[in-house]
Formats: sequence, structure tokens, C-alpha cells
Amino acid sequence: AQRVTQPEKLLSVFKGAPVELKCNYSYSGSPELFWYVQYSRQRLQLLLRHISRESIKGFTADLNKGETSFHLKKPFAQEEDSAMYYCALVSPGGGNKLTFGTGTQLKVEL
Amino acid sequence: EPEVTQTPSHQVTQMGQEVILRCVPISNHLYFYWYRQILGQKVEFLVSFYNNEISEKSEIFDDQFSVERPDGSNFTLKIRSTKLEDSAMYFCASKGQQNTEAFFGQGTRLTVV
Repeated sequence: AQRVTQPEKLLSVFKGAPVELKCNYSYSGSPELFWYVQYSRQRLQLLLRHISRESIKGFTADLNKGETSFHLKKPFAQEEDSAMYYCALVSPGGGNKLTFGTGTQLKVEL
Repeated sequence: EPEVTQTPSHQVTQMGQEVILRCVPISNHLYFYWYRQILGQKVEFLVSFYNNEISEKSEIFDDQFSVERPDGSNFTLKIRSTKLEDSAMYFCASKGQQNTEAFFGQGTRLTVV
């Protein structure tokens, strides 16, 4: 069965500091991994997917199959990055459902 | 920009009552989902729906739950006899193609008293 683990419930950093939100997964096949973000009082929205290899809002995430990780990184945190971040995995076949981690609340302090 | 919309935003119901949570997915989307998030816990998959039938459902989605796409635009989640533990935020999501981004609604907060 697939599982996504986000070990930190809360991560607090100062503005301008580097950010790394950790995500580990377990999945028997070839995973497709995502980061979703939920800003205060807004809906869940896609931030990144590993297959596109983009940088969105300065965030990047690299899939490391050896370590089964998909950590989210940003070199310089901004106040507007404060939000809830969810790592998720898609299991193909059937309905292509998302399996979410528990989420990490990122708080960027001035 | 097209959005998934959910109504109501908050529903309070008595234990044992039936509730229907409504969703209007993005109009040309084909894949539909319900997820829920109990307070303080992670977002959990409930059910996926494609081509007018359930394509996958979780253990949570027991006989008390059902989904319908009654008129080609709405996608509803019905809970027949609500329990206290059904209190959660329920999210609807839709996708255009199988391997594309899922777009989420803003959620319905269900409180069972």
C-alpha cells in the first residue's frame, strides 16, 4: 500500500532563510508525486508535480528514488509562503486517487 | 478561471440524519473525487467517479455513503445516516484527463451533533 510521510507538523523559519519541507513515500511501483499548498482560507491547489520539473514561486522538488523522498525546497523564504503544504502521491490505475501526507504548516516570520 | 464549487460551505446536522454535499466540477472535466479531512488529520481519499460509475473507493466509503452525478453538472456525496465521526471537511475535486492536475473545491465543513 502507498504511504506518504511528512515528519514535521510545523516548520518555522525567518524571512530570507532557506526552506526544506520533507516528504518520504512508500510505493511499490513508479510513483507520481505532487506538492499541494493551501493558503489561509483558500482551497488546495497544485504547487508542483515531479514530472514537470518546474520551479514554481521559487520552490523546487526533486524525486530521489533511492531515498524515496520528494523534499520541497526554496532558497529564500518569503512571508507569503506561509501556508499548509501537502505532499501527495498518485497511484495509477482505477481512479488515479491522491494519497496525501499529513501536511506541514510553514510559518515564515519577519 | 474555472473553479470547482461546493455547497454549502458549512452544514450542521443531527446524528442519524441524511446529508447531501454538492459539488459542481469544472465543466469539461471527466474524473471526479471526494476526499475528507477530519480536524487535525490528513486529507483522505473517499471515492473516485468516471464514466458514470465509481472507479475506486476507500474503506471509509461504506454503505452509508453514495455518490451521484444526477444531471451532468452536479456531483453529490450523500451520507445516509450521519455519525459523529463523519464530522470533517469534505473536498470535491475534478480532473480533465487521467494524468493531469486535480482541481479542488473550497470544501464543505460537516458538523454532526
